[in-house]
Amino acid sequence: KAGVTQTPRYLIKTRGQQVTLSCSPISGHRSVSWYQQTPGQGLQFLFEYFSETQRNKGNFPGRFSGRQFSNSRSEMNVSTLELGDSALYLCASSQGDNQPQHFGDGTRLSIL
Amino acid sequence: GDSVTQMEGPVTLSEEAFLTINCTYTATGYPSLFWYVQYPGEGLQLLLKATKADDKGSNKGFEATYRKETTSFHLEKGSVQVSDSAVYFCALRVWNAGNMLTFGGGTRLMVKP
Repeated sequence: KAGVTQTPRYLIKTRGQQVTLSCSPISGHRSVSWYQQTPGQGLQFLFEYFSETQRNKGNFPGRFSGRQFSNSRSEMNVSTLELGDSALYLCASSQGDNQPQHFGDGTRLSIL
Repeated sequence: GDSVTQMEGPVTLSEEAFLTINCTYTATGYPSLFWYVQYPGEGLQLLLKATKADDKGSNKGFEATYRKETTSFHLEKGSVQVSDSAVYFCALRVWNAGNMLTFGGGTRLMVKP
């Protein structure tokens, strides 16, 4: 069974640009969550989607947005990139509530 | 709000030494507790979990017991190996509040041969 797949693995952007990251969950998983990992702030929750609906949202500015498609694949978008957005972005999927979450290997975003 | 506090690293041990990484939590609801491990260049892997008080999670020689009275979930291993070198994260998820995980700051473990 394929794991959680995140693309691309690495991305370099400049300030002011926007970026879209993709996450394909494990087959049959309907919940997809996104996290930002930085050396200074650690792992912080961005948002969770379940059956195409955003269910929870972390404390991030509106520049961070996401969506989920009918096949459960999810994308997150960051607009007007800032240097502080440089991070590892992790996606996790699960079958449903109170089920184990499985993480992808992440997308490393670097802002120049 | 919810929070997780774990001991800062790095923790440096010799092979076959005993490992303890402390983790304490505060939660607004009833939490499930987790330990995740992250190897260089990879995402997080679930190491073990416990969903109710006094449960003991175990996997690959690692153990942790859900202690409600002390709000703790300390990770232990009797004999570490070089291959255990990684970053370990304690996390909680509140029951029936979605799948949002709240993580501790992570503890880097380095095991020397």
